Amino acid sequence: DVKVTQSSRYLVKRTGEKVFLECVQDMDHENMFWYRQDPGLGLRLIYFSYDVKMKEKGDIPEGYSVSREKKERFSLILESASTNQTSMYLCASSHLAGGDNEQFFGPGTRLTVL
Amino acid sequence: SQQGEEDPQALSIQEGENATMNCSYKTSINNLQWYRQNSGRGLVHLILIRSNEREKHSGRLRVTLDTSKKSSSLLITASRAADTASYFCATEGMNRDDKIIFGKGTRLHILP
Repeated sequence: DVKVTQSSRYLVKRTGEKVFLECVQDMDHENMFWYRQDPGLGLRLIYFSYDVKMKEKGDIPEGYSVSREKKERFSLILESASTNQTSMYLCASSHLAGGDNEQFFGPGTRLTVL
Repeated sequence: SQQGEEDPQALSIQEGENATMNCSYKTSINNLQWYRQNSGRGLVHLILIRSNEREKHSGRLRVTLDTSKKSSSLLITASRAADTASYFCATEGMNRDDKIIFGKGTRLHILP
């Protein structure tokens, strides 16, 4: 059974803290993505990666960074968490672009920044 | 932007009825996908339709694509309580570097 897992389902952090969200996929996918989902705004792409050590900015990268040291793992980092980063964070993976590539999603991490 | 826009934003129907959701987009696409999201969970891929296809079926799901109108519809027949979820369309552009872009979703509620 293919799977994308995220390190936490719920997370509560304080303003200014450094936050790590981890995502692991077991499908040997080249592409990995981080989205945030907010009511009325849908899914917005933060960062994505096409390969190990590769990263590309999505639509809303400000305040975030990412790391992909291994193919199966893609980390999202909030260097200094702020209250406006309270959101649902979704990780996804897919095979290399150029084909009909569905994305496989993790269960999400609901982050609250106080 | 090629972002899909779903219509309606929310839909409530009686169990057993058919549910229809629509998606419109702005630029040419390679394919269009529909996803389901149960409350507080990740998205699950339902069906993909390519730009050269007009209709596709998967179980109780029927998807149509009209590239001349830049629109798609998702029909769920004989709805069940378990179909209660949000449904998103996602479009993939023609260029190799194009990312999949998700719409804001339709919230479907099946009434018992």
